[in-house]
Amino acid sequence: AQSVAQPEDQVNVAEGNPLTVKCTYSVSGNPYLFWYVQYPNRGLQFLLKYITGDNLVKGSYGFEAEFNKSQTSFHLKKPSALVSDSALYFCAVRDLYTGGFKTIFGAGTRLFVKA
Amino acid sequence: EAGVAQSPRYKIIEKRQSVAFWCNPISGHATLYWYQQILGQGPKLLIQFQNNGVVDDSQLPKDRFSAERLKGVDSTLKIQPAKLEDSAVYLCASSQGTAVYGYTFGSGTRLTVV
Repeated sequence: AQSVAQPEDQVNVAEGNPLTVKCTYSVSGNPYLFWYVQYPNRGLQFLLKYITGDNLVKGSYGFEAEFNKSQTSFHLKKPSALVSDSALYFCAVRDLYTGGFKTIFGAGTRLFVKA
Repeated sequence: EAGVAQSPRYKIIEKRQSVAFWCNPISGHATLYWYQQILGQGPKLLIQFQNNGVVDDSQLPKDRFSAERLKGVDSTLKIQPAKLEDSAVYLCASSQGTAVYGYTFGSGTRLTVV
């Protein structure tokens, strides 16, 4: 069965410093991996995805994520954090099965960027 | 392009009452999803439609929840009767229907059952 884990409930970082939000996954086949961000009182917004190809994928707002197959991880990163990056971040994994696909979300990691 | 529209934004009802949520996906998106997001948790899929057919409703509490997507466009999610534990944000999302696409989410409906 597929699963996704975000081991940190909260990540604190100072503005201008690099940030990492961790995600590990488990799927039976090749994973499709996604990151979403949720601002207060808003729905989730798609940030980036890994389907195939380069292990480092780039997304919206300067975020990127690194796919590591041996460690089954897909950590979200940004070289220089902004206060406006403070939000709730969700990792999601999509598992393909005959006739369709199913996506499950992690529990989320709250990112606080301090000025 | 217009986003995923949901209404109402907020709803407060008493337990055992019924409630309905509405979703209008992005035009042309074949796949529509309803997720339940309880405070402090990640979204949990309730039901997935492909056009007007149900693809996955394995986590939908069918004794009280129902959903339909007539004509393959708008969708409604109903709860009858509501329980206290149904208090959550109900998110609607749509996608172009294949596995490689991300989802576009609406702003959600925050339901409080008292």
